[in-house]
Amino acid sequence: GESVGLHLPTLSVQEGDNSIINCAYSNSASDYFIWYKQESGKGPQFIIDIRSNMDKRQGQRVTVLLNKTVKHLSLQIAATQPGDSAVYFCAEKGSRGGADGLTFGKGTHLIIQP
Amino acid sequence: NAGVMQNPRHLVRRRGQEARLRCSPMKGHSHVYWYRQLPEEGLKFMVYLQKENIIDESGMPKERFSAEFPKEGPSILRIQQVVRGDSAAYFCASSGQDYNEQFFGPGTRLTVL
Repeated sequence: GESVGLHLPTLSVQEGDNSIINCAYSNSASDYFIWYKQESGKGPQFIIDIRSNMDKRQGQRVTVLLNKTVKHLSLQIAATQPGDSAVYFCAEKGSRGGADGLTFGKGTHLIIQP
Repeated sequence: NAGVMQNPRHLVRRRGQEARLRCSPMKGHSHVYWYRQLPEEGLKFMVYLQKENIIDESGMPKERFSAEFPKEGPSILRIQQVVRGDSAAYFCASSGQDYNEQFFGPGTRLTVL
């Protein structure tokens, strides 16, 4: 089964509100986590990453939180804009015995309501 | 500075034909990864290559699929005798010295009739 998964397939928020997208992983050996954004018909676009020795990392309007105790990862997007509408994937590295391929979750479709 | 390039963007093949997907990594990147994405699904790792070497092909089907990354030229993902189940979007990613960060190309959408 999947080692990385999402709690919700679709999330709808009002423009300007904050959004939180959640992700659970099962392998405690995972040491690197990434959030990607994928718009329709395009490849995944890197948003932000975090290593297992950190519990929080901030970017521009985005924050990633890592809770290793419960193996939970979240992406917070502040003041959402129409351009934030996309599918968001969490991905992790380290659960495949050291190989460098990423393991992706199934994605959450974020819909920004005007 | 061009990103990861993939071609063709769309490819239509009939059952039994061969599909060749090409990927040019970002300038200076020597690590290439191929992923497959089915509709409404996340990406699935297939193979990881460095120049002239396959590092990890554990996600690639043993039959009909092969990949290469020659010393010169793009990486090639080759699917022989395609079947309808091969229809998917195939994405290539590359990374450089900081090999954790992978940058993705726009993908090739393969349709098998």
